[in-house]
Amino acid sequence: AQSVTQLDSHVSVSEGTPVLLRCNYSSSYSPSLFWYVQHPNKGLQLLLKYTSAATLVKGINGFEAEFKKSETSFHLTKPSAHMSDAAEYFCVVSGANFGNEKLTFGTGTRLTIIP
Amino acid sequence: ETGVTQTPRHLVMGMTNKKSLKCEQHLGHNAMYWYKQSAKKPLELMFVYNFKEQTENNSVPSRFSPECPNSSHLFLHLHTLQPEDSALYLCASSQDQGPTPYGYTFGSGTRLTVV
Repeated sequence: AQSVTQLDSHVSVSEGTPVLLRCNYSSSYSPSLFWYVQHPNKGLQLLLKYTSAATLVKGINGFEAEFKKSETSFHLTKPSAHMSDAAEYFCVVSGANFGNEKLTFGTGTRLTIIP
Repeated sequence: ETGVTQTPRHLVMGMTNKKSLKCEQHLGHNAMYWYKQSAKKPLELMFVYNFKEQTENNSVPSRFSPECPNSSHLFLHLHTLQPEDSALYLCASSQDQGPTPYGYTFGSGTRLTVV
């Protein structure tokens, strides 16, 4: 079984300040972890992924995430927020069960950027 | 564009209508998925197709009927829907349904409103 918990449903930061979106996971298997971003009325775009290589993963648009197995966390960060970062962010865990991929989505964190 | 194209982008239909949603990908992927995204709820996996065969039906009501004529196309046929079926319907694809470290590629979705 696997699950993912996004600890904040809504985060507001000022433009130019750091962003932290928190995600905790549980998985019975060696998981792959993803962050997706969804802008209003758009589909989901892959930001970054962790697949058991480097624990610090860099993604698009200046985002990065660190896989911490001891804390079962995969928090998303960005040093300086931009207005275009305003969107919904989803943490996703995947674990293969007898070859069948299972993706489990978090409930999402809405990021608001204050000018 | 992500490589997964969904049409139409918006659809308004009455409860007695019959309509179809279309999804198309030319990424060479063999697995395709339908997800439902409702406000304030996590993404719900509806159907999975792998090499044109349905491998998962997540207890979806029969008023939703999927069709996968080939690995590049996926349809969702709709009939006698209810207002609570109003949502964003997302199509996704992946290389296959086995372990994929690359995540899924999502379309932009069809915003469905049932009146």
